[in-house]
Amino acid sequence: AQSVAQPEDQVNVAEGNPLTVKCTYSVSGNPYLFWYVQYPNRGLQFLLKYITGDNLVKGSYGFEAEFNKSQTSFHLKKPSALVSDSALYFCAVRSDSNYQLIWGAGTKLIIKP
Amino acid sequence: DAGVIQSPRHEVTEMGQEVTLRCKPISGHNSLFWYRQTMMRGLELLIYFNNNVPIDDSGMPEDRFSAKMPNASFSTLKIQPSEPRDSAVYFCASSLASVFDEQFFGPGTRLTVL
Repeated sequence: AQSVAQPEDQVNVAEGNPLTVKCTYSVSGNPYLFWYVQYPNRGLQFLLKYITGDNLVKGSYGFEAEFNKSQTSFHLKKPSALVSDSALYFCAVRSDSNYQLIWGAGTKLIIKP
Repeated sequence: DAGVIQSPRHEVTEMGQEVTLRCKPISGHNSLFWYRQTMMRGLELLIYFNNNVPIDDSGMPEDRFSAKMPNASFSTLKIQPSEPRDSAVYFCASSLASVFDEQFFGPGTRLTVL
């Protein structure tokens, strides 16, 4: 069965420090991985995706994510956090054997000034 | 493009009443998804349409819920009768059809059933 785990309910980072939001997955077949962000009272917004090719994927707002096949991980990163990055972050996975997008539970990111 | 449009943005109703949520997907997208988000259960897929045809409705909680997509530019999610436990934020999302394509979400409808 396909699954996504976001092991941290909440991540706290000081402004200007690097941030990492963790995601691990389990699928049969090739994984297609996505990160979304949700600001309060808003819908989810697409940040970036990994389909194939370079393991380091760059996305919106200075975010990037690294696909690690051996560790089945797709962690979201940013070199220098902003207070405005505070939001709820979702990881999702789909495979070529299953159209359905499987969602993680979400990680609340809090950036403190 | 205006993005995915949902209406109403907020709905407050009393238990037993019928509720209809509306969605206009992004033009050219042929996949449409209805989700429900609650604190307890997180983000749940309710139903998925491809080319206006329901493909997977296994996430629809029970017979009180129904969804239609009469054409490529409009979908509805109906709850009849509504119950307090249906209170949640309901999102509509659309995408192109391939497994590589990301979904674009609407702003959601916050439903409160008293």
